[in-house]
Amino acid sequence: QQQVKQSPQSLIVQKGGISIINCAYENTAFDYFPWYQQFPGKGPALLIAIRPDVSEKKEGRFTISFNKSAKQFSLHIMDSQPGDSATYFCAASPIKAAGNKLTFGGGTRVLVKP
Amino acid sequence: GAGVSQSPRYKVAKRGQDVALRCDPISGHVSLFWYQQALGQGPEFLTYFQNEAQLDKSGLPSDRFFAERPEGSVSTLKIQRTQQEDSAVYLCASSLGLAGKGTEAFFGQGTRLTVV
Repeated sequence: QQQVKQSPQSLIVQKGGISIINCAYENTAFDYFPWYQQFPGKGPALLIAIRPDVSEKKEGRFTISFNKSAKQFSLHIMDSQPGDSATYFCAASPIKAAGNKLTFGGGTRVLVKP
Repeated sequence: GAGVSQSPRYKVAKRGQDVALRCDPISGHVSLFWYQQALGQGPEFLTYFQNEAQLDKSGLPSDRFFAERPEGSVSTLKIQRTQQEDSAVYLCASSLGLAGKGTEAFFGQGTRLTVV
């Protein structure tokens, strides 16, 4: 069962544009929401993460927006660059549990055109 | 080591063959996870170790899958009598594993298993 739904499956954006990826979750026990970036042949790498006590977190060109009541969160990539072309995964876990087992979304393949 | 190391990077197995996949986590990391990533999909949880104890194996798809971490460091995922549906990338991740904190999980590059 897919507990974290991610959309779109893919998107193409021009260099300098904004990439927006959305995720929705069902399990109210989730309280840690990381985003991972994965390049072909590599493992996922943590990009940015948020906890539900804040509605937005920004790190450089990457921003997470979080809506606890709607159980939705999104990743915005500002000033997208060709090097940002990768697959992005949202994830969620119950932070209080030891181990922080992650439930991933299905992924979004982003292509940034120069 | 500097990161999570997995070996082999690629494995081709004939249907019915047994395989063993190795994970060397970051030194000092208490928590170790195995995930399965099918082509074009997100990783799915298989099992979790805290030191040498396997605390959660709810994601293992069948009793053909077995994981161990006998000394609390290196872990091995074993798949017996491989089937074509086992073809996937198997990812290992480790973290400091402090309960109640969102400690970052560091992933290895994965082992791509192809069952023919």
